[in-house]
Amino acid sequence: DAKTTQPTSMDCAEGRAANLPCNHSTISGNEYVYWYRQIHSQGPQYIIHGLKNNETNEMASLIITEDRKSSTLILPHATLRDTAVYYCIVRLLTEDSGAGSYQLTFGKGTKLSVIP
Amino acid sequence: DGGITQSPKYLFRKEGQNVTLSCEQNLNHDAMYWYRQDPGQGLRLIYYSQIVNDFQKGDIAEGYSVSREKKESFPLTVTSAQKNPTAFYLCASSIAPSSFYEQYFGPGTRLTVT
Repeated sequence: DAKTTQPTSMDCAEGRAANLPCNHSTISGNEYVYWYRQIHSQGPQYIIHGLKNNETNEMASLIITEDRKSSTLILPHATLRDTAVYYCIVRLLTEDSGAGSYQLTFGKGTKLSVIP
Repeated sequence: DGGITQSPKYLFRKEGQNVTLSCEQNLNHDAMYWYRQDPGQGLRLIYYSQIVNDFQKGDIAEGYSVSREKKESFPLTVTSAQKNPTAFYLCASSIAPSSFYEQYFGPGTRLTVT
C-alpha cells in the first residue's frame, strides 16, 4: 500500500468546516483512498473511501485531486465530538484472502481538535 | 442495536498468566479480526477469521491464540509466551472476508501486564 503524509495536528472552530489534507503521491491506479478516525481510547471508525471521484456520505465529503496524488476530507460542520485522530490510508482492494489484504496500515494521522 | 462488543474495557494481569479477551458481534458478519495498537502507532493484525471454525495468522500471531466456534464470537487469548502483551487490543468484523468490505471496530480492551 502507498504511503501517506498528513499534518500532525489541526484546530477547527466548532460549526466551521474542517478540511483535512492527505498526500499520497505514490498511489497506484487501482488503490483506493480511505479515511478512518479514532476518538481517544476507542476503536477506529470508518468514515469514507473513494477511488477517483469525489464522494459524500452522511459523515463527510472526500475530494480527490485529478492526478490522485492528494485528497481532502471535509467535515462540513465540525462539532466537539469530531475531536479525534484522523487517518488517511490507501488500500489495494482485492479478492485475495491473505492477511495482507486485510491489514489496515495506519500512519500517525492528524489530531483534529474542535474548539468551542 | 447492532455492533461489536469487547469486554472488559480495562484488564490487568500478572506476568506469566494467560488472559482471554472477549469479542462478540451481532452484525451477522462472516469475517472477524484482532488487531493490536501500541501508543502512537498504527494497527497490527494478530489473527483473522474468514468463517466459523477457520482462522489464520496475521503479522504478529506469536504468543496469541484464537478460536471461532460461533459466528458471533472470536475470543483472543494472550498467552504467557507473548513478550510484550501490554497494549490496546481491537476486534473488528466485516460482512465478508474481502478487503472490499469495510471493517467495523469494537471499543477495544486495554490490557496491562505487570
